[in-house]
Amino acid sequence: NAGVTQTPKFQVLKTGQSMTLQCAQDMNHNSMYWYRQDPGMGLRLIYYSASEGTTDKGEVPNGYNVSRLNKREFSLRLESAAPSQTSVYFCATAVGGAIIYEQYFGPGTRLTVT
Amino acid sequence: AQRVTQPEKLLSVFKGAPVELKCNYSYSGSPELFWYVQYSRQRLQLLLRHISRESIKGFTADLNKGETSFHLKKPFAQEEDSAMYYCALGGGGGNKLTFGTGTQLKVEL
Repeated sequence: NAGVTQTPKFQVLKTGQSMTLQCAQDMNHNSMYWYRQDPGMGLRLIYYSASEGTTDKGEVPNGYNVSRLNKREFSLRLESAAPSQTSVYFCATAVGGAIIYEQYFGPGTRLTVT
Repeated sequence: AQRVTQPEKLLSVFKGAPVELKCNYSYSGSPELFWYVQYSRQRLQLLLRHISRESIKGFTADLNKGETSFHLKKPFAQEEDSAMYYCALGGGGGNKLTFGTGTQLKVEL
């Protein structure tokens, strides 16, 4: 079992370019999340999907869009990248439901926007 | 709004010394609190959660509702404890977690 996988691992974009970060899980979890990690800021939630077919904004959604393609996959899209989006992006999953269970994290994508 | 505060960005201790990583939270409901750890070149992983009341790798954390704190403690630091530690608060629907800004623990020999 791969757990939570993310592609790509590294990416360099120029301002204004677009790209999609992919996340997939084989844990049969209902909930999926996208975070960004910045020095001194910790992890901040961008978007989440509590269950297949639903998505909601997190703390810092501006400049991003998401798609919950199916139960396994949750993608994050940057339509027009900006230097402020330089960060490490983490996908995470959780069982979901009423009880707050552990979140399982992917290895991260390091994105640089020049 | 819920908030997690980790006042120390960096904590340096000597091997064998006690460790305490501070975490304070703000939440109107009944809190679900967690400590996550990120070792160098590894993914973020759960260290412990308050509801389990367990000790993992010698670490413990006690929820103090009066002081709204969930400090992480270990009596004797080991070199392998060097990592980034995040305190996280659950709540607000969607199984969401609110993370603190993290504390980098460095254990020196």
